[in-house]
Amino acid sequence: DTGVSQDPRHKITKRGQNVTFRCDPISEHNRLYWYRQTLGQGPEFLTYFQNEAQLEKSRLLSDRFSAERPKGSFSTLEIQRTEQGDSAMYLCASSVDTELMYFGPGTRLTVL
Amino acid sequence: GQSLEQPSEVTAVEGAIVQINCTYQTSGFYGLSWYQQHDGGAPTFLSYNALDGLEETGRFSSFLSRSDSYGYLLLQELQMKDSASYFCAVKGNQGGKLIFGQGTELSVKP
Repeated sequence: DTGVSQDPRHKITKRGQNVTFRCDPISEHNRLYWYRQTLGQGPEFLTYFQNEAQLEKSRLLSDRFSAERPKGSFSTLEIQRTEQGDSAMYLCASSVDTELMYFGPGTRLTVL
Repeated sequence: GQSLEQPSEVTAVEGAIVQINCTYQTSGFYGLSWYQQHDGGAPTFLSYNALDGLEETGRFSSFLSRSDSYGYLLLQELQMKDSASYFCAVKGNQGGKLIFGQGTELSVKP
């Protein structure tokens, strides 16, 4: 296993369009996290899953954001009706009930 | 709520020692972690402290004082490749999310 992978690596979209990102965690990891990071800032928590259950979702996350992990393996993050303020790096991370989180390379979203 | 404070930037010379401080305010506390992120890269785990004291991993050490809600990352024998952003992060409950600080940009000069 080569680590956490994310697809696509880059996405440019027009305001108002929907986008979906995919994250494939390290295979035996039961926890999966989504973070958002803008330039010069730390990763901001969005949501996390233990297996297929979504255990927490940030209050900062609007209803336009939704995440799924249907079979407890890969996860998708969808943003509906994108806004320019959604432009950021979207990071996925996974872990095995430990303090060590492995981050993927991220998906850079640009909303025009 | 939860908040973390760390210096925004630090500059040091090759071969020197640098300390990056982190203070936190959390409703619960399960440990303090440190992550390194190079420009354009993903955050990578450096160290974790759940109990008071010093944890050493090669050139990097991390310290925690739970009574002071304070920790630091110590980098020794600095190398040019250590130029990166360093984030402290707090876990507020077992198995829960990590809350990251704003990051400290370390510049290592020759």
